[in-house]
Amino acid sequence: NAGVTQTPKFQVLKTGQSMTLQCAQDMNHNSMYWYRQDPGMGLRLIYYSASEGTTDKGEVPNGYNVSRLNKREFSLRLESAAPSQTSVYFCASSEPPWRPNTEAFFGQGTRLTVV
Amino acid sequence: AQSVTQLDSHVSVSEGTPVLLRCNYSSSYSPSLFWYVQHPNKGLQLLLKYTSAATLVKGINGFEAEFKKSETSFHLTKPSAHMSDAAEYFCVVSPSGAGYKLSFGAGTTVTVRA
Repeated sequence: NAGVTQTPKFQVLKTGQSMTLQCAQDMNHNSMYWYRQDPGMGLRLIYYSASEGTTDKGEVPNGYNVSRLNKREFSLRLESAAPSQTSVYFCASSEPPWRPNTEAFFGQGTRLTVV
Repeated sequence: AQSVTQLDSHVSVSEGTPVLLRCNYSSSYSPSLFWYVQHPNKGLQLLLKYTSAATLVKGINGFEAEFKKSETSFHLTKPSAHMSDAAEYFCVVSPSGAGYKLSFGAGTTVTVRA
């Protein structure tokens, strides 16, 4: 009963390094999301994928890219990490917005520190 | 446009006393509203959701919330706090009831005193 699985759980990067955060869901959801969580700011949407084959920018997309590899997997890439990207990253999935009475399911988070 | 304001950044209660977490929202639509809980170093777990059915919504672990359209509020309550309720709570609004374009409040941290 895994739900949404993120890897890695923790990561320390040097400024300018690149990395990819992985996310997979086993609930057959069509929509997937990447959020970042910063103190006092709640969660902010970075990118989302409403369905397989589509991706769109969210509120804070600069410095990130995403790939919807298949229906299960949605990865987030930092091409050149900056200290401002130090944050906790959450992946989530849900049914599409036109379906009623649904909600998002979240992974356990990835704590990223950029030094 | 939509936004969420959680009126208290930190709430401290004694074990066994009531908990009240306040949330006001603005939305151009008839929104769906959620409360999520995040325990330390954990992911987010859904406590309850309002999706235009009954205005009093019951969730897990004894929590409930009342949707008041006239006040644009969705306050979360629990009659008797337990030590395990110590966590951060997020009020969330969505125009459509899914993960699509969720708007999060800044969060309320709850501490429970023995």
